[in-house]
Amino acid sequence: QSVLTQPPSVSAAPGQKVTISCSGGSFNIGNNYVSWYQQLPATAPKLLIYDNDKRPSGIPDRFSGSKSGTSATLGITGLQTGDEADYYCGTWDSSLSVWVFGGGTKVTVL
Amino acid sequence: QVQLVESGGGVVQPGRSLRLSCAASVFTFSINGMSWVRQAPGKGLEWVAFISYDGSDQYYADSVKGRFTISRDNSKNTVFLQMNSLRAEDTAMYYCARDYCTITTCYDLWGQGTMVTVSS
Repeated sequence: QSVLTQPPSVSAAPGQKVTISCSGGSFNIGNNYVSWYQQLPATAPKLLIYDNDKRPSGIPDRFSGSKSGTSATLGITGLQTGDEADYYCGTWDSSLSVWVFGGGTKVTVL
Repeated sequence: QVQLVESGGGVVQPGRSLRLSCAASVFTFSINGMSWVRQAPGKGLEWVAFISYDGSDQYYADSVKGRFTISRDNSKNTVFLQMNSLRAEDTAMYYCARDYCTITTCYDLWGQGTMVTVSS
């Protein structure tokens, strides 16, 4: 059971938008920055969003992040078949003194 | 090329030990915190341990505390994970990752992973 809660799966047609929620608590998301990771099949994770809403160099602006209170959201617009992957949120938990990942969300392009 | 390369994985019997290494290249290794993250077959990501840039601070997941030790040698640009008293549930792909963020922690560079299988 992950400290951060994500939906197991989301899906949409090519070109559409999906959002992935990440729900936590006051000691993790509520008081720390959130980052998001994309994991394509059989590959290492890749940083998509850091500090809640910043994109590393090379990440297209189709990917966006936001945070409100104890929840964070990843948005993907203009969905492409290459976006089919597992997506994870993560943050530091100040109470447990551990890093925590969400359980992951599988994105399917219909 | 900026990269992390893990090694040391393999098949090991329950109760035995294994030491993983992660070699960094083409970046100033000594200014970044480093972590190990694992992924059991078909499962999600699980953070394992973190070590600060100078090795003075370490943090561990409850599932490995007391059994695993993270360390680093900045002169060799390498971070290690000593795994003792291994259990079947430690079977996973182990990734090392570089801490990129300054205010908090986030992981911008990942290795390709090394597989650890604990089985009799």
